[in-house]
Amino acid sequence: GNSVTQMEGPVTLSEEAFLTINCTYTATGYPSLFWYVQYPGEGLQLLLKATKADDKGSNKGFEATYRKETTSFHLEKGSVQVSDSAVYFCALWANTGFQKLVFGTGTRLLVSP
Amino acid sequence: EAGVTQFPSHSVIEKGQTVTLRCDPISGHDNLYWYRRVMGKEIKFLLHFVKESKQDESGMPNNRFLAERTGGTYSTLKVQPAELEDSGVYFCASSQGVGRKGNTIYFGEGSWLTVV
Repeated sequence: GNSVTQMEGPVTLSEEAFLTINCTYTATGYPSLFWYVQYPGEGLQLLLKATKADDKGSNKGFEATYRKETTSFHLEKGSVQVSDSAVYFCALWANTGFQKLVFGTGTRLLVSP
Repeated sequence: EAGVTQFPSHSVIEKGQTVTLRCDPISGHDNLYWYRRVMGKEIKFLLHFVKESKQDESGMPNNRFLAERTGGTYSTLKVQPAELEDSGVYFCASSQGVGRKGNTIYFGEGSWLTVV
């Protein structure tokens, strides 16, 4: 079946550090891939997406590249800020069968000044 | 434009009681989804409505959960009777088309349920 695996958190970084949150997936066919973010006290927001192999999604300084050969969609940011502290969820949309988002377990990011 | 709204935002109930969660999707969105995140685990799909019809309810955990979307507008998710393991955050989401490549799924802020 379809599944998403994320690195466990929390990830604790100092401001301006480089961020990587690993995400790998298992899916039939060619899924679309997403990163969602949940800031404290808020709902889930779409951060970025990629719909085919080698696509790069980017937003707010975050980037992730759809790697079909390694079935990965790692999230990166060159210089994190305190305001980036949140829970990040990797997800896929399986474009076959019943269509729905399948999420990973989420990774909490804590950025200190 | 109003986003997806959920009510209540927080609820604490005793085991065995009933709770009803409500979701108002974005106006004009035919697709409505319910998801749940139990503490520290992944966000899991519960079910999908297209207008008032249940398209996919494969994620509903058991028959203590009942979802409705009368008239194809807002939706309710009732848990009766609630058990301790039902505690978590219940997210509602909506989209205009089925969430393919170009169709964004919009999430609400979630309803936090604690069963004691």
